[in-house]
Amino acid sequence: AQKVTQAQTEISVVEKEDVTLDCVYETRDTTYYLFWYKQPPSGELVFLIRRNSFDEQNEISGRYSWNFQKSTSSFNFTITASQVVDSAVYFCALSELFSGGYNKLIFGAGTRLAVHP
Amino acid sequence: EAGVTQSPTHLIKTRGQQATLRCSPISGHTSVYWYQQALGLGLQFLLWYDEGEERNRGNFPPRFSGRQFPNYSSELNVNALELEDSALYLCASSLASGSYNEQFFGPGTRLTVL
Repeated sequence: AQKVTQAQTEISVVEKEDVTLDCVYETRDTTYYLFWYKQPPSGELVFLIRRNSFDEQNEISGRYSWNFQKSTSSFNFTITASQVVDSAVYFCALSELFSGGYNKLIFGAGTRLAVHP
Repeated sequence: EAGVTQSPTHLIKTRGQQATLRCSPISGHTSVYWYQQALGLGLQFLLWYDEGEERNRGNFPPRFSGRQFPNYSSELNVNALELEDSALYLCASSLASGSYNEQFFGPGTRLTVL
């Protein structure tokens, strides 16, 4: 069973538009961690955020915000006023004890975001 | 502070050969992880080393192996290369395991098997 689903394969927006990247996860654990990583064309994964399962508070960091809802098993990521530099592949990931420990990241398939001028 | 480094950047091999990929973690990090990013298969967990020992491995055949050295750097070896081993191999490091710590990734080694 797929643990992390990113249904949006590709999203294309024009600069300054807001965009939301969806992430739905599946876990049997009560304690787990969720992450978002950004992969620019250079290939290196850049850590954006970690959220543990007991912290459902939404988080805002500049133009980035995250909405964690346990009731729908979702951890969505919104970029406000998108910029060309936001163009990248974004990965949502899960770590849980059941799948072999918290140190093993389970990634979604990724969403490729293209921001056009 | 230097980030995770990987070498080589690119590696071209032929079927049946062996490939060796190297990773140096961030200073102070003792855990090293390897992930494979193959086209169409996404990012998959390969191996986790901590304090010189293999702690966990993903669903990969035994011809994928590695080790961690006393200085915490790591090597990934892929024997009897197959075409489908062509992928970007990402290394990550984190502080000591025990409770969860963020993984910081290197730029990757792109392996091409011809």
